[in-house]
Amino acid sequence: AQSVTQLGSHVSVSEGALVLLRCNYSSSVPPYLFWYVQYPNQGLQLLLKYTSAATLVKGINGFEAEFKKSETSFHLTKPSAHMSDAAEYFCAVSDDVFNSGGSNYKLTFGKGTLLTVNP
Amino acid sequence: NAGVTQTPKFQVLKTGQSMTLQCAQDMNHNSMYWYRQDPGMGLRLIYYSASEGTTDKGEVPNGYNVSRLNKREFSLRLESAAPSQTSVYFCASSEGNSNQPQHFGDGTRLSIL
Repeated sequence: AQSVTQLGSHVSVSEGALVLLRCNYSSSVPPYLFWYVQYPNQGLQLLLKYTSAATLVKGINGFEAEFKKSETSFHLTKPSAHMSDAAEYFCAVSDDVFNSGGSNYKLTFGKGTLLTVNP
Repeated sequence: NAGVTQTPKFQVLKTGQSMTLQCAQDMNHNSMYWYRQDPGMGLRLIYYSASEGTTDKGEVPNGYNVSRLNKREFSLRLESAAPSQTSVYFCASSEGNSNQPQHFGDGTRLSIL
């Protein structure tokens, strides 16, 4: 089964500083990887996804992530933090399953990283 | 463009009571999912439905049942609520291919006293 590790449950940066949120995965096959963002009292919103087309993936709100197979990593970055980026961020890996419903997949999530942006 | 709609948004129950959480999606997705979110635990899969008429257990299915009523609707039932089921519950849907993302509702915040 796949697994995801997010290093740092809480990251604090100053407004305008670089944002780096770390994600490492374990997978026996080339994975599909996702980053989601959750604002307070809301559901999860897709930031970006890696589906093997390109190793550097650009997402919404100026975020991007780089897939590094040799390091089994998919770290999320943004060059300059904004106050509105304060939220919880989740990395997830896609896991194929085969069962009564035929082929399907499920997401395995990391435990999340809470990003705080200081003025 | 509603996406995934969950009802209710908040609920308080007493131990032993039952209730059903409702979820509906308007994106014509094949697959639907129920997760629970607890502090420091991320999201954990309770049940999922690959297609209409099928359901399967996820990581934490004990104490829950589900029904895939039709392609649009997927409900989660707590037959006898326990304090350990206090959580935020999220429903999600997807096309069902592993390279496609899941789309989430805004959640149901459930407290069991």
